[in-house]
Amino acid sequence: DTAVSQTPKYLVTQMGNDKSIKCEQNLGHDTMYWYKQDSKKFLKIMFSYNNKELIINETVPNRFSPKSPDKAHLNLHINSLELGDSAVYFCASSQGIGPAGEQYFGPGTRLTVT
Amino acid sequence: DQQVKQNSPSLSVQEGRISILNCDYTNSMFDYFLWYKKYPAEGPTFLISISSIKDKNEDGRFTVFLNKSAKHLSLHIVPSQPGDSAVYFCAASSTNFFQGGSEKLVFGKGTKLTVNP
Repeated sequence: DTAVSQTPKYLVTQMGNDKSIKCEQNLGHDTMYWYKQDSKKFLKIMFSYNNKELIINETVPNRFSPKSPDKAHLNLHINSLELGDSAVYFCASSQGIGPAGEQYFGPGTRLTVT
Repeated sequence: DQQVKQNSPSLSVQEGRISILNCDYTNSMFDYFLWYKKYPAEGPTFLISISSIKDKNEDGRFTVFLNKSAKHLSLHIVPSQPGDSAVYFCAASSTNFFQGGSEKLVFGKGTKLTVNP
């Protein structure tokens, strides 16, 4: 049983396209996150939702829009993709809104924008 | 602005020896620290954590040491095993919500550990 799953695992697309990455967790957690790991290997938080409510919104272009239909799902939609969006995107989940602790990560989605 | 720094991008040790991975932080508001381990093509997995009220936390072969005055923490793996070969990320957070803390984790760049048989 995969605790945190993401689809697709790989995504290759052209500049200007719109794409979505889906995330689901079956751990019963109420907080979910999106992270971006860029070419410099930094793992940076982008968004966090608690019970479908946005609680963290880092300085991310508004081309990125997270959507949480329920507390087990947090999808990431990206409009007008740019070359700089190429990265590995990780979804994660945890129980509770804080203090920060153990987060469970998905396997990542490698996005390549050409 | 790197608030969490792992200055060694890689470390190579022999099986059975001790691995020491280091991490420095700059934000004095950080009071909770974690280590994550990441294998290729997988997401990071939680390894061990420590609160700022402690200076040491041990879990089997893994021990994390925290030196608050130096804003430094380290992860010791003894004895090191080939299966420990992975990228290790240090992460920190501020849990004091009254002082602007949140559930946000700030990660370092990671250190790639290779344990040679």
